[in-house]
Amino acid sequence: QKEVEQNSGPLSVPEGAIASLNCTYSDRGSQSFFWYRQYSGKSPELIMFIYSNGDKEDGRFTAQLNKASQYVSLLIRDSQPSDSATYLCAVNIYSGGGADGLTFGKGTHLIIQP
Amino acid sequence: NAGVTQTPKFQVLKTGQSMTLQCAQDMNHNSMYWYRQDPGMGLRLIYYSASEGTTDKGEVPNGYNVSRLNKREFSLRLESAAPSQTSVYFCASSDVGVYGYTFGSGTRLTVV
Repeated sequence: QKEVEQNSGPLSVPEGAIASLNCTYSDRGSQSFFWYRQYSGKSPELIMFIYSNGDKEDGRFTAQLNKASQYVSLLIRDSQPSDSATYLCAVNIYSGGGADGLTFGKGTHLIIQP
Repeated sequence: NAGVTQTPKFQVLKTGQSMTLQCAQDMNHNSMYWYRQDPGMGLRLIYYSASEGTTDKGEVPNGYNVSRLNKREFSLRLESAAPSQTSVYFCASSDVGVYGYTFGSGTRLTVV
């Protein structure tokens, strides 16, 4: 049984600070890792993906992967109130898309306080 | 660019009624998925279709059937709806080499 664990929160962060979201996964064979953002009542939207150990930066977002520790994180710099949402970590055993789908964590509810 | 289109957006069913949720994608993806999302449970995979002509069970398939009508369309059928199937249903699509899965806007289903 593949499992993806996230702290449900809420995680409250002051505007302008760094928000740090964490995720652990159980399947050591996992190859691809995704972060989705979901606003209340909306569908998940992909914000970052990472396949290799280390850091990957995209604007204010940085994804970090440590396969040895089975740990993936998302950092949001200069947090804005519009970043307030639920962040879903998702894992797949394949390095690309397709095949048998993603396993999702339950999500972390992030609140950015103005 | 429509992406993934789901219909209907909202539906109320009585226990025992049947219905089909429709999903279509225009990105020429081979793989399509149905998820349900419940408070405190996250997104759980119901069924998926890795390619046209194939379907497989996911984590929570009981009470559902699917049909991959063609490459574009993947439908989810509830034969005899139960209150436990009250949920938000999302369809998604992807493909090998595609980074990430694209989700439809969801169907909010209530079974009374």
